[in-house]
Amino acid sequence: KAGVTQTPRYLIKTRGQQVTLSCSPISGHRSVSWYQQTPGQGLQFLFEYFSETQRNKGNFPGRFSGRQFSNSRSEMNVSTLELGDSALYLCASSRRYPDGSYNSPLHFGNGTRLTVT
Amino acid sequence: KQEVTQIPAALSVPEGENLVLNCSFTDSAIYNLQWFRQDPGKGLTSLLLIQSSQREQTSGRLNASLDKSSGRSTLYIAASQPGDSATYLCAVRPSSGGYQKVTFGTGTKLQVIP
Repeated sequence: KAGVTQTPRYLIKTRGQQVTLSCSPISGHRSVSWYQQTPGQGLQFLFEYFSETQRNKGNFPGRFSGRQFSNSRSEMNVSTLELGDSALYLCASSRRYPDGSYNSPLHFGNGTRLTVT
Repeated sequence: KQEVTQIPAALSVPEGENLVLNCSFTDSAIYNLQWFRQDPGKGLTSLLLIQSSQREQTSGRLNASLDKSSGRSTLYIAASQPGDSATYLCAVRPSSGGYQKVTFGTGTKLQVIP
């Protein structure tokens, strides 16, 4: 069974540009969440998608956005990149019931390392 | 607001030693608690998941316990090996219903010395 796949693994962008990261969840997992990891702030929640709808959002500016497709694949976009956006971006998937309860652990991909210069 | 703390931030032990990693959380209304390991530059690998109704879970040399009333979980690693060197994180999912975010601890960086 394939794990969570994130592409690309590495990205180098300049300030002001925008970037799109992709995440393919484990087959059957409809919940996808995104996290930013930096040495100073640790792991911070960005947002969660379920059934193509954003269900929760962390404390990040509107430059950070995402979406989920009907096949549960998800993308996140960061516009007008700043130096402080340099981080490891992690995607996780899990199985959950429509009532919001979970019946599986979170499974993470290997992340996308974004460097903004 | 849930806060999750992991102490110590770093730990260095000789190979073969049994060790305990700690995870403390401030709000006992949790749905589950999950332990992960993270190798440098990689994603998180799930180790153990404990539901709120459980007291412990075991997988191989790993044993995780949960005490909701005191807001604590421990990860016990038996007979540590150099391959166990990694950062260990715990994550708490709240039980308040709806789509509530998971809160992660800051991690314990473990080094097992051959």
